[in-house]
Amino acid sequence: DQQVKQNSPSLSVQEGRISILNCDYTNSMFDYFLWYKKYPAEGPTFLISISSIKDKNEDGRFTVFLNKSAKHLSLHIVPSQPGDSAVYFCAASDGSSNTGKLIFGQGTTLQVKP
Amino acid sequence: DTAVSQTPKYLVTQMGNDKSIKCEQNLGHDTMYWYKQDSKKFLKIMFSYNNKELIINETVPNRFSPKSPDKAHLNLHINSLELGDSAVYFCASSRGTGSSQPQHFGDGTRLSIL
Repeated sequence: DQQVKQNSPSLSVQEGRISILNCDYTNSMFDYFLWYKKYPAEGPTFLISISSIKDKNEDGRFTVFLNKSAKHLSLHIVPSQPGDSAVYFCAASDGSSNTGKLIFGQGTTLQVKP
Repeated sequence: DTAVSQTPKYLVTQMGNDKSIKCEQNLGHDTMYWYKQDSKKFLKIMFSYNNKELIINETVPNRFSPKSPDKAHLNLHINSLELGDSAVYFCASSRGTGSSQPQHFGDGTRLSIL
């Protein structure tokens, strides 16, 4: 029962272009969403998040969009840089549980070519 | 001055053995977690503790036992190791259990069962 899905295992973009990573969820109780970035042999690091009361959150080159009706979120990276090459995980949380429990997608490997 | 540190980084052992993984955080956080990343790369929550109290205990075999001697430490003991226990285990911590508190991860312990 995969409640958070990242259907694209990999994505390759040219440096300077936009990277768009997608994430779908099924549980309507999820009200907070996070993106994590992971380099090989390291742990995931928090990148950006969005609450379900918003539809957009921006932090520098990173923007997350949330479409609640479609149960879909996306992470935009503009412009993409070679250092952005990593695995990106989408995660969702049901705040009413107050446990901090995160449900992760299976990740999308982004390769940014110089 | 690593924020969340796990030891050991690699653990290779025989089936049937008992082993422990240690985790320490110096962020002053109240909540700590254990995640398992399996061969399909899914990150799944196993346990979490808030102020040394167990708050999440997912469907994990009884062979896995977490122990939190204080807020800064959460260790994972595994009895009678099985082949299916081979995975990367990540420790994480957060300021609290609220959804908006991002989790900070250690670099993982790669467990290989021979």
